[in-house]
Amino acid sequence: SQQGEEDPQALSIQEGENATMNCSYKTSINNLQWYRQNSGRGLVHLILIRSNEREKHSGRLRVTLDTSKKSSSLLITASRAADTASYFCATDGRGTYKYIFGTGTRLKVLA
Amino acid sequence: DVKVTQSSRYLVKRTGEKVFLECVQDMDHENMFWYRQDPGLGLRLIYFSYDVKMKEKGDIPEGYSVSREKKERFSLILESASTNQTSMYLCASMAHGNTEAFFGQGTRLTVV
Repeated sequence: SQQGEEDPQALSIQEGENATMNCSYKTSINNLQWYRQNSGRGLVHLILIRSNEREKHSGRLRVTLDTSKKSSSLLITASRAADTASYFCATDGRGTYKYIFGTGTRLKVLA
Repeated sequence: DVKVTQSSRYLVKRTGEKVFLECVQDMDHENMFWYRQDPGLGLRLIYFSYDVKMKEKGDIPEGYSVSREKKERFSLILESASTNQTSMYLCASMAHGNTEAFFGQGTRLTVV
């Protein structure tokens, strides 16, 4: 399987704290993306980082990418109860249309 | 707004039945995907298609087949449903160039 992995599997923090989750993947990529899934629903795209970028910001989200280690991290700053969801990274393999997701991190933000 | 529509939200089928899950997208996307989602395992790719009539196996194709006769529609077929195929099935579409994937709301399939 080419499925990536995320850690931690689950994370519980207080509102206002920062949440960091990590993703490791297995193949060379063109870009890496992060998605959020609210309970029982489809996934929503959050942010894309290309393989030649090292860091990207979008609002309270910060993503880093280390292609030498085949890993990425997603930082959510000043978390809110509404950030409670599962977060997944997804990668496309170079030279293929295959699109692979990781195992996900379940984030719970306590009010 | 991009829309990806899966034909059923909930489905209950009997073991051995042939099951069709339909997915339609309205954005003229070339790529379409079928995943299954199980607790602790994330999304696992079953099949994908990068053009009409083109299909490729994902990581877990066994027991499934797909059909893409028209660009907007991608069907997942369970040839003979088994209880271990009870799962949430998610369809997604994406334009060439890998910008972002758009997901349907999912079909929760129970095989009894």
